[in-house]
Amino acid sequence: SQTIHQWPATLVQPVGSPLSLECTVEGTSNPNLYWYRQAAGRGLQLLFYSVGIGQISSEVPQNLSASRPQDRQFILSSKKLLLSDSGFYLCARDTDSGNTIYFGEGSWLTVV
Amino acid sequence: GESVGLHLPTLSVQEGDNSIINCAYSNSASDYFIWYKQESGKGPQFIIDIRSNMDKRQGQRVTVLLNKTVKHLSLQIAATQPGDSAVYFCAENIDGNKLVFGAGTILRVKS
Repeated sequence: SQTIHQWPATLVQPVGSPLSLECTVEGTSNPNLYWYRQAAGRGLQLLFYSVGIGQISSEVPQNLSASRPQDRQFILSSKKLLLSDSGFYLCARDTDSGNTIYFGEGSWLTVV
Repeated sequence: GESVGLHLPTLSVQEGDNSIINCAYSNSASDYFIWYKQESGKGPQFIIDIRSNMDKRQGQRVTVLLNKTVKHLSLQIAATQPGDSAVYFCAENIDGNKLVFGAGTILRVKS
């Protein structure tokens, strides 16, 4: 199974508030995990990826951070949200072969 | 920097016709390419992939063509159906850990 669970599915947060998006995956152990962001009507931007517990690589400087406290858990956080953080956030994991990635159903964040 | 882009941002086709969605990539070292379909409000779904040692790969109603000479990738959908309406993304695997996505093409199927 390559099931990916993301929550919450939607949320509306005020500017300056904290954020925590959670993602858990099923399937083989030690997957590569990813957080992507998609602005409305736009493409996918890689934010973070992780090759193992506690190992996080950041792709773009931003107001967000990621953590991987467990093998199959990936968390996206912010201490203080900005309006520009609004978007569709997608968690993903790779396959056993490592080339393809599969996405969760996403979390819609609106910062007001 | 490396990028993957799409020639046509929006494509409208008549139901039953064939669709062709194009993609250009700039990293000649990329060895693996994927097409995803994203329906409104959902995460992208894997459609088909192709390795750089292949020119063509077929799936169910879909075919991916790879032209390494001109760094061009295309997705062909046969007998397009209303359920094919979505945004289609091409992606390239650059270093084995990351995928770089194109901007996306909107496919609209007219009944």
